[in-house]
Amino acid sequence: GAVVSQHPSRVICKSGTSVKIECRSLDFQATTMFWYRQFPKQSLMLMATSNEGSKATYEQGVEKDKFLINHASLTLSTLTVTSAHPEDSSFYICSARLSGRSFSYYGYTFGSGTRLTVV
Amino acid sequence: AQKITQTQPGMFVQEKEAVTLDCTYDTSDPSYGLFWYKQPSSGEMIFLIYQGSYDQQNATEGRYSLNFQKARKSANLVISASQLGDSAMYFCAMRPDTGRRALTFGSGTRLQVQP
Repeated sequence: GAVVSQHPSRVICKSGTSVKIECRSLDFQATTMFWYRQFPKQSLMLMATSNEGSKATYEQGVEKDKFLINHASLTLSTLTVTSAHPEDSSFYICSARLSGRSFSYYGYTFGSGTRLTVV
Repeated sequence: AQKITQTQPGMFVQEKEAVTLDCTYDTSDPSYGLFWYKQPSSGEMIFLIYQGSYDQQNATEGRYSLNFQKARKSANLVISASQLGDSAMYFCAMRPDTGRRALTFGSGTRLQVQP
C-alpha cells in the first residue's frame, strides 16, 4: 500500500516551454506532498511543500513563479516547470507524508521520479 | 534547522562482507526520526530502516541495522552479508517531529559491492 505514481518518468522539452509533472496517491490520501530536486550525483534538495487546498511553501532560493505547485485534491499534486531552461534539467521526485498506524514506513512514500532534460 | 553529514562519498565492499555507512546529524529538535534510503540507478527511493530519537534499542530490518548513538549524534547503517544488488547510493535522512516534517538528506554514499 501507500503508492505514489509519478508521471512522466522521463521528459525532454525545448527551452522556453513548460512541463507538468504529476504525482498521484493511488491508495491513500496525501495531505502533504514534498517536492525534491536532485542534480546528478548530488543529494535530494527540498524545493517546496504542498498541502491540499492551500498554497505551497517554497524553500529559500526556489522561484515560485517558475516552479508552480498545485495540490487541488488529496490524490493529486502537480509541479509545473515554466519557461524551462537547460539549467532546470534535473531529477524531480515527489514524496507524500504518511500518518497513522496502518503505514509501516514510518512516514514517507516516494514517487519514482521524473528525469527532465531541457534542450 | 537540521543537518545530515555523510563523509564517505564512495565505499567498496566484498560480496558477503559487512559494511558500515556513516551518518552524523545535527538538530535542535528534542524529537526526531532518522531514516536510511537506498537509491539504485533507476532513481527510486527505497526505504531501508528507521530509528526514532527516543527508541531505546537500535533498529534492525533483515540485513540492515542502525547503530544509533544519540550522544554522539550518529546513526550509522550496517549492511551485513553484502550482495551485488546492494550496489547503489545510500542516503541518510532526518525528520523533525515538529513543523512540516520534511526530510533533510545527507549527501549520500555510493556503495559498490565487488564479487
